[in-house]
Amino acid sequence: ETGVTQTPRHLVMGMTNKKSLKCEQHLGHNAMYWYKQSAKKPLELMFVYSLEERVENNSVPSRFSPECPNSSHLFLHLHTLQPEDSALYLCASSQVEGLTDYGYTFGSGTRLTVV
Amino acid sequence: GENVEQHPSTLSVQEGDSAVIKCTYSDSASNYFPWYKQELGKGPQLIIDIRSNVGEKKDQRIAVTLNKTAKHFSLHITETQPEDSAVYFCAASIYGNDMRFGAGTRLTVKP
Repeated sequence: ETGVTQTPRHLVMGMTNKKSLKCEQHLGHNAMYWYKQSAKKPLELMFVYSLEERVENNSVPSRFSPECPNSSHLFLHLHTLQPEDSALYLCASSQVEGLTDYGYTFGSGTRLTVV
Repeated sequence: GENVEQHPSTLSVQEGDSAVIKCTYSDSASNYFPWYKQELGKGPQLIIDIRSNVGEKKDQRIAVTLNKTAKHFSLHITETQPEDSAVYFCAASIYGNDMRFGAGTRLTVKP
């Protein structure tokens, strides 16, 4: 496996369900991100983990809970979601050295539908 | 925080023509400007980037220009092909971990 892998690709869940999205990067990067992509809106940064520590929360509702057990894996735990949370959830990774960015590598995303 | 605006939202060109997508950013401290291409069913893919100490960068049919004074940067695609059809995103970053994206441009190249 190479790059950034996200599972599942598609997820349909009820508003009372609990589910988790998984992301794995095989690039040796030291930072990982969750983005939300909704139609006709900019990519919304949700969470950032750098060196396995969360560095930005970005006012995301508490029904979204991230977890980064190591530098290669990132999870997004979901519970009691709302229909407006339906979107494509993208995971990305990058190598950050000091204050220098080197661009992100994105996964293919999880298409989430809340019913 | 940084705010990135992107225009146009949709762009249709004939195969072989050039396409230009423009972005503006708000924070003069931004120093890294990547462009991403997103095809249907896939995540965005980095296609070219430019740093604030460079005014222009080219990679085959793709070029990016940066005007720091005006705080805008542009993506230029020459000799467009149908496989260039996708959604393109610009982004700006001040330091590591803070990438902000434009809303995207849907490019259609008509054969």
